[in-house]
Amino acid sequence: EIVLTQSPATLSLSPGESATLSCRASQSVSSYLAWYQQIPGQAPRLLIYDASNRATGIPARFSGSGSGTDFTLTISSLEPEDFAVYYCLQRNSWPLTFGGGTKVEIK
Amino acid sequence: QVTLKESGPVVVKPTETLTLTCTVSGFSLTNARMGVSWIRQPPGKALEWLGHIFANDAKSYSPSLKNRLTISKDTSKSQIVLTLTSMDPVDTATYYCARSSGAYYPYFDYWGQGTLVTVSS
Repeated sequence: EIVLTQSPATLSLSPGESATLSCRASQSVSSYLAWYQQIPGQAPRLLIYDASNRATGIPARFSGSGSGTDFTLTISSLEPEDFAVYYCLQRNSWPLTFGGGTKVEIK
Repeated sequence: QVTLKESGPVVVKPTETLTLTCTVSGFSLTNARMGVSWIRQPPGKALEWLGHIFANDAKSYSPSLKNRLTISKDTSKSQIVLTLTSMDPVDTATYYCARSSGAYYPYFDYWGQGTLVTVSS
């Protein structure tokens, strides 16, 4: 089973600032990694798939990069609605696994 | 319009079996590159993938739950059923069903609203 470790656990930033979130895999997942956003009380929403592809309707301020074991989600200029918890998910091998999440909170 | 909706008990007692149903609409469970997973989230904690059922009825389960978990589907009713035996308070969580399909397969593009299940005597 592939373990995904996200860091930091919490990121305290102000609107307009840039956010950089990390997801590290215990073994290579190639480019088969996605990022989800979860607002409290809601189901997760797919932001990025296959490491760097934005899902339909996702704003350009969200970008993903990486391959192998190290991945990054960047939010270029935080909007008020971006303060949420972000999870990575690998689909390189079954069982699928999620990371532990990074909470982006308002500073 | 694609929708998924979970239903089932709100409270179950320890040692009992949980049965949840995910009723879907707007897509067919028999299409190729189509599947549904169950995912749960304990209060205040991270998402945990539980298992998946593929269009051809094959399944994949989380190793930590493999002995307790069964996922099945009834295509005529457009339903996917989760059965989890020997429930324990640590199984208290919001349970989601989520679809994998098409261009995003096997990532999840649509999710149900989730249903909170509490394990308590």
